[in-house]
Amino acid sequence: SAVISQKPSRDICQRGTSLTIQCQVDSQVTMMFWYRQQPGQSLTLIATANQGSEATYESGFVIDKFPISRPNLTFSTLTVSNMSPEDSSIYLCSVAWGGFQETQYFGPGTRLLVL
Amino acid sequence: ILNVEQSPQSLHVQEGDSTNFTCSFPSSNFYALHWYRWETAKSPEALFVMTLNGDEKKKGRISATLNTKEGYSYLYIKGSQPEDSATYLCASTGNQFYFGTGTSLTVIP
Repeated sequence: SAVISQKPSRDICQRGTSLTIQCQVDSQVTMMFWYRQQPGQSLTLIATANQGSEATYESGFVIDKFPISRPNLTFSTLTVSNMSPEDSSIYLCSVAWGGFQETQYFGPGTRLLVL
Repeated sequence: ILNVEQSPQSLHVQEGDSTNFTCSFPSSNFYALHWYRWETAKSPEALFVMTLNGDEKKKGRISATLNTKEGYSYLYIKGSQPEDSATYLCASTGNQFYFGTGTSLTVIP
């Protein structure tokens, strides 16, 4: 398992601004992911954060809107750019060491409200 | 994209009652089924991973079964306690995790 922390835990932001969310893991991990849960919706994968290369984005998510960095095997950031009220969600990072039969371990989430 | 559905959406039970809820997923190209428990302001906690048809897993008062042929999994909680109050998520995996919207359980003391 892993201990995962996220900063900030919550924020209220104005539309048009950007917010960077940090994800820190207490051990080196192969795979890191970013998810979003909009109100009433399921957890949806935004992208896979690749160490030393560009993130791999899922359909409907683009780098300009959700730039991701992963400078090493224990840390990643997700930026929500040019925010609108539709970006109000819980954002979670998760980590895994193997394939999709393996458990993913999640951070506690960042609760974002955009006014 | 895999369509994963959970029912009911929410559930209120009395302390001591047993309860169960359902996760439905496409049976074709099945890889694994995960159950998580998510309390407000905490990290989702992994409960079970199941891969084989007929799998049954148990952790204390919580157990789960898997039917890959018909595409469903049941989660059972025996003798519900207030600390069981949480949202229970399932995810079916193909090339990523596909989550349902969860079942919100409230256990009334």
